[in-house]
Amino acid sequence: GAGVSQTPSNKVTEKGKYVELRCDPISGHTALYWYRQSLGQGPEFLIYFQGTGAADDSGLPNDRFFAVRPEGSVSTLKIQRTERGDSAVYLCASSLEGSTDTQYFGPGTRLTVL
Amino acid sequence: SQQGEEDPQALSIQEGENATMNCSYKTSINNLQWYRQNSGRGLVHLILIRSNEREKHSGRLRVTLDTSKKSSSLLITASRAADTASYFCATDVNDYKLSFGAGTTVTVRA
Repeated sequence: GAGVSQTPSNKVTEKGKYVELRCDPISGHTALYWYRQSLGQGPEFLIYFQGTGAADDSGLPNDRFFAVRPEGSVSTLKIQRTERGDSAVYLCASSLEGSTDTQYFGPGTRLTVL
Repeated sequence: SQQGEEDPQALSIQEGENATMNCSYKTSINNLQWYRQNSGRGLVHLILIRSNEREKHSGRLRVTLDTSKKSSSLLITASRAADTASYFCATDVNDYKLSFGAGTTVTVRA
């Protein structure tokens, strides 16, 4: 079946602009995660959704970052007033139910803030 | 903060040789997972080993887990050029939140 998909694959924006990154999880997966990966590092946790609600948003770096999952499927990560330090690959993952289930990752969105 | 730490940071081997990389972590876990990443994009899940397991195999992959030493190893046997990638271990910090190390970059020379 189809895996996790993310759009766009690349996004270039200017400092101060607003961006939205989209994630389509594997059908039937109730748990969805966002991670951020900087160059030369492993992914770092941002937020975890169980269904429609954000069960843990402790990894969001500040209040410029926000994510939603209104119908319990597609999720959007929103970044306001982007800064150059936000440049990274944003990865989305989904798992069947959360807890200790295997997380399947999408191809990521490479965000570049000029 | 990242809990896992892979060793070595980089590894270069000849095609057909085995590649071994290690992962150490700090706190108790439910399971540990290994992922592969090509060209800095999506991660491909390789294998999950639970805390009550000591060894697991999947094709040419062999993973061991020593919870007393808080360490795991990934062995790739008979490596191929297509195995060239970065490999990450990930531990579950609290049932769902994965904590990744910085990865081991493996280069397989033809």
